[in-house]
This record gives sequence, C-alpha cells and structure tokens, in this order.
Amino acid sequence: KAGVTQTPRYLIKTRGQQVTLSCSPISGHRSVSWYQQTPGQGLQFLFEYFSETQRNKGNFPGRFSGRQFSNSRSEMNVSTLELGDSALYLCASSPAALNTGELFFGEGSRLTVL
Amino acid sequence: GEDVEQSLFLSVREGDSSVINCTYTDSSSTYLYWYKQEPGAGLQLLTYIFSNMDMKQDQRLTVLLNKKDKHLSLRIADTQTGDSAIYFCAESVNRGSTLGRLYFGRGTQLTVWP
Repeated sequence: KAGVTQTPRYLIKTRGQQVTLSCSPISGHRSVSWYQQTPGQGLQFLFEYFSETQRNKGNFPGRFSGRQFSNSRSEMNVSTLELGDSALYLCASSPAALNTGELFFGEGSRLTVL
Repeated sequence: GEDVEQSLFLSVREGDSSVINCTYTDSSSTYLYWYKQEPGAGLQLLTYIFSNMDMKQDQRLTVLLNKKDKHLSLRIADTQTGDSAIYFCAESVNRGSTLGRLYFGRGTQLTVWP
C-alpha cells in the first residue's frame, strides 16, 4: 500500500506570493490533517478534514486555508506569504474507522520564503 | 490548553538502553503516542498506548504510563546507531469526535555513539 504522498517536496517562494501544497492520503483513509513544523514552534496543528469537511482548525491566520476532495486528496493554500511561513508542512492521514487517532505522515513539503 | 513537555537532547552509547521522558497536562488524554523523525523525513509512528494501560512492550520498545503523574516514557533496549533520530511524544484528546487532533512535544534528539 502506498504511503502518504506530498507534492512538491521542496519549493521556494518570495514574500507576498501564494502557495498550494498537495497531499494524497493512504488509500482508504478519509481523514487528512496538516501540521506546520518549525525549529522555533515545533509541530503545530493547522487543520483536519474528513469527508470534504473541515472538522478541526488550529490557531493560524486566515491566510492558511485548505480543502479536501471527494477522493480524500487534500490541498492547503497559504496566501500573502511571510518570511515566518518558512517551514516543513506535514500532511497525515488516518483510517477514520479506528478510534485510536493514529496518524500516518508524509515526508512533507519544505517551503522557503525569501 | 494542552501542553506536552520533553527534554530536548539525549546521548547514549550503542548497546545501552535509552529512556525518553514526556509529561502532559490534559487528564482527558485518550491515547499517547511516540513518533520518530529521521532527517529529511516525516514522522513515523513507533507505538501508542491507551490511557487505561500502564505498560506496553513491542520488541525493543517499552512504553510506561503513569497516569497519576501524567508521565510517559519510552525505553529503547540495546540502542543502535540507526535509532539516532528525533522522538516526539504526542497526546490525543478526543472531544466528541471520532478523531482528535494530536498535541506534540518539541521532540527529543537522540544521539547514539558507537
């Protein structure tokens, strides 16, 4: 079974631009979560989607948004990029049928904002 | 809010046991997890324990949970150089939904010396 796939793996943007990151969950997983990882703040929860609906949202400004499609693939978008948005963005999927909260992570998209 | 604390660094010699400690604050935690992150990679789930258990063993890994003190530990027996990585403790606090978000500690960098 293929794991969680995130694209692109690396990207460089400049301040003020926007970026879209993509995540394909493990086949059969219907829940997708996004996390931001930085050296200063560690792992911070962005949002969680299940069946195309946002179920949970972390404390990030409205510039951060996401969506989930009917095939469970998810995208997140960051508009008006700031230097502080440079981070590793991790997507995780979960088999919603289990109530253990296990998350299976992708390798991440490393965003650098110049 | 939820707070997960862990020490930042641990160094051990190859063949010794490693013990990584974690404390959490939310007494309604349902599951507690240990994840491993190698350089340039996403997070890999190592093991998890349900909050009504006090110990779980899985090959070289032993998880101990002291619910009264809100203390979780991960013991790695016969530590190998390949175990060098960052280890994250995380808790799941479900609130009426099938899946809850995870709250992560800052991670413990384990260095294993040959």
